[in-house]
Amino acid sequence: GDSVTQMEGPVTLSEEAFLTINCTYTATGYPSLFWYVQYPGEGLQLLLKATKADDKGSNKGFEATYRKETTSFHLEKGSVQVSDSAVYFCALRGYTKLVFGAGTILRVKS
Amino acid sequence: DTEVTQTPKHLVMGMTNKKSLKCEQHMGHRAMYWYKQKAKKPPELMFVYSYEKLSINESVPSRFSPECPNSSLLNLHLHALQPEDSALYLCASSQGGASTEAFFGQGTRLTVV
Repeated sequence: GDSVTQMEGPVTLSEEAFLTINCTYTATGYPSLFWYVQYPGEGLQLLLKATKADDKGSNKGFEATYRKETTSFHLEKGSVQVSDSAVYFCALRGYTKLVFGAGTILRVKS
Repeated sequence: DTEVTQTPKHLVMGMTNKKSLKCEQHMGHRAMYWYKQKAKKPPELMFVYSYEKLSINESVPSRFSPECPNSSLLNLHLHALQPEDSALYLCASSQGGASTEAFFGQGTRLTVV
């Protein structure tokens, strides 16, 4: 079945550091891919998405590129802020539902 | 407006109580979802409604009963819950189709005592 694998956290960075959170997927066909972010005590917010191979999703300085050849959708940001501290979920749209990765906790220190 | 509104934000209920969670969206989305999320875990799908009809029940215990009164509203009726049902309950909606994203509400933090 469809599945998403994310790098384990927590990931702890200093402010202005470069961020990469790895995400790989297994799916039949060509699913749409998403990154969601969850701040403490809140619901999930869509951060960015890509619907086909080589698409780049971007939002708020975050980027991810849909790589079909490596079945990956890694999240990157050039300079993180303390306010980026949250849990990040990679997800794919399967035939009937969203499939989530386990989530990666990001902690940014000032 | 890309908002999904859930009420209440917090709920404490006893094991013999009956309560309901409510969810509303005005984006014209035709699919609505209930998820359960435990601490430090991803959301787990419970139910999917498509065009106001239940299309997926992920083998959820009958003490959880969903209802979709119209295309904008989704309820989750709770009865005789157990302490292990304590979690964040998230509602989401989507336009439908393979490429569309889901929009989530802020959730209801449920504690069963």
